[in-house]
Amino acid sequence: GAGVSQSPSNKVTEKGKDVELRCDPISGHTALYWYRQSLGQGLEFLIYFQGNSAPDKSGLPSDRFSAERTGGSVSTLTIQRTQQEDSAVYLCASSPRDYQYNEQFFGPGTRLTVL
Amino acid sequence: AQSVTQPDIHITVSEGASLELRCNYSYGATPYLFWYVQSPGQGLQLLLKYFSGDTLVQGIKGFEAEFKRSQSSFNLRKPSVHWSDAAEYFCAVALYNQGGKLIFGQGTELSVKP
Repeated sequence: GAGVSQSPSNKVTEKGKDVELRCDPISGHTALYWYRQSLGQGLEFLIYFQGNSAPDKSGLPSDRFSAERTGGSVSTLTIQRTQQEDSAVYLCASSPRDYQYNEQFFGPGTRLTVL
Repeated sequence: AQSVTQPDIHITVSEGASLELRCNYSYGATPYLFWYVQSPGQGLQLLLKYFSGDTLVQGIKGFEAEFKRSQSSFNLRKPSVHWSDAAEYFCAVALYNQGGKLIFGQGTELSVKP
């Protein structure tokens, strides 16, 4: 079956512009996670959605970052007024249930470059 | 605070040689532990996981890992490395009661010599 998909695969933007990154989770997966992978910081958790519950935003680095999940499926990560330090690969993962034994399935990522 | 440490940033082994990648964690309760592999330009793929029970777990691609509570370690091993194993390997802890979000180590890059 289809895995987690992310778009675009690459995004180049100018400092100060807003960007939107999209994640399509595996059908039926109720949990969705965003992570960021950068040279300086490694892999960091950003935000977590589970069903209709309020998202866990504890990993978002600043208020320029936000995310939403519509209809319990597709998610969009928005970065406003991008900065050069936002350059990274943004990874999305989904999991079949909100369960401590979850296995997260990762998408290929979106590589963001801020000039 | 929870943390995961992979002390080796880069390891080179010869094809056919054995491999051990180290992982140590700091966590106040019984952890759920994972090893992921990332090939160039690819997403993360789960190799194996430990939740409870037998402390030696088998994964895909011939990998295994051993959980040692006394050493707070979860080292990844493979008896004979193949050139296709060259990739970056990440150890992670899942924070249960926090939605299962993963805390990753810094990663170990594996190179394989012919």
